[in-house]
Amino acid sequence: GQSLEQPSEVTAVEGAIVQINCTYQTSGFYGLSWYQQHDGGAPTFLSYNGLDGLEETGRFSSFLSRSDSYGYLLLQELQMKDSASYFCAYNQGGKLIFGQGTELSVKP
Amino acid sequence: GAVVSQHPSRVICKSGTSVKIECRSLDFQATTMFWYRQFPKQSLMLMATSNEGSKATYEQGVEKDKFLINHASLTLSTLTVTSAHPEDSSFYICSAADTADNEQFFGPGTRLTVL
Repeated sequence: GQSLEQPSEVTAVEGAIVQINCTYQTSGFYGLSWYQQHDGGAPTFLSYNGLDGLEETGRFSSFLSRSDSYGYLLLQELQMKDSASYFCAYNQGGKLIFGQGTELSVKP
Repeated sequence: GAVVSQHPSRVICKSGTSVKIECRSLDFQATTMFWYRQFPKQSLMLMATSNEGSKATYEQGVEKDKFLINHASLTLSTLTVTSAHPEDSSFYICSAADTADNEQFFGPGTRLTVL
C-alpha cells in the first residue's frame, strides 16, 4: 500500500532541537516534502528532498534516505511560534500525499 | 512568491443547500489545481485534481456528483458542495501549480459548517 507514518505529537522546550521522523511506503516516489500548518491556517512549504541527503534552510533542515524510505525534519533553536502541525508528504505524479501530521508543542 | 486566495474564508449553511468555494491564483497561471479536505486534527486528504479546461480527476471515494469542480480559467477553480450535510463540515483547502509536477501553493482554506 501507500502510506506515510510520523509521530502524532512531540513536545520540546524553547531553544531546543527536535527531530520529526517520517517513514513512507509507496510504489512511485518523486521526493519528500515538509509542510507546517498552524491551527486554522494553510499549509506552508518548509523543505523538499528529491535526493538522499540533508537540505538546510535556516533553522529547519530535512533529510532523506531513499534506501530506507525514511526522512526527517530537524528544527533547531525552537521558538514558541514553531508550535504547529508538521506534515511530511510525497509527490506521486504531481499529487501530494500527506502523512497524518505531527503536532509540535514548544514549551517555555 | 506565488499567492493563492480562497473565498469565502468561512461559511455556515443549512443542510440541503449548496455552497460554492472559489480558489484563485493571483500572480501566476495555474494549469493544475488541487482540492483537499481536512477534518480536525487530521491530515489533508486530496479530493480531486483539476486541469484548466478539462474534467476534474477525483480520488477514490470522493463523489463527483456531490463535489462539483470547475476549472474554467488559468486563475480560477471552484468547488461546489451540493446538498450539503453536517458530515460535509470540514476545512477545504485548494492548491495551485503552474504545471502538474511543480510546487503547489496553498490557499488559506475555507471553513465550512453545515447546520
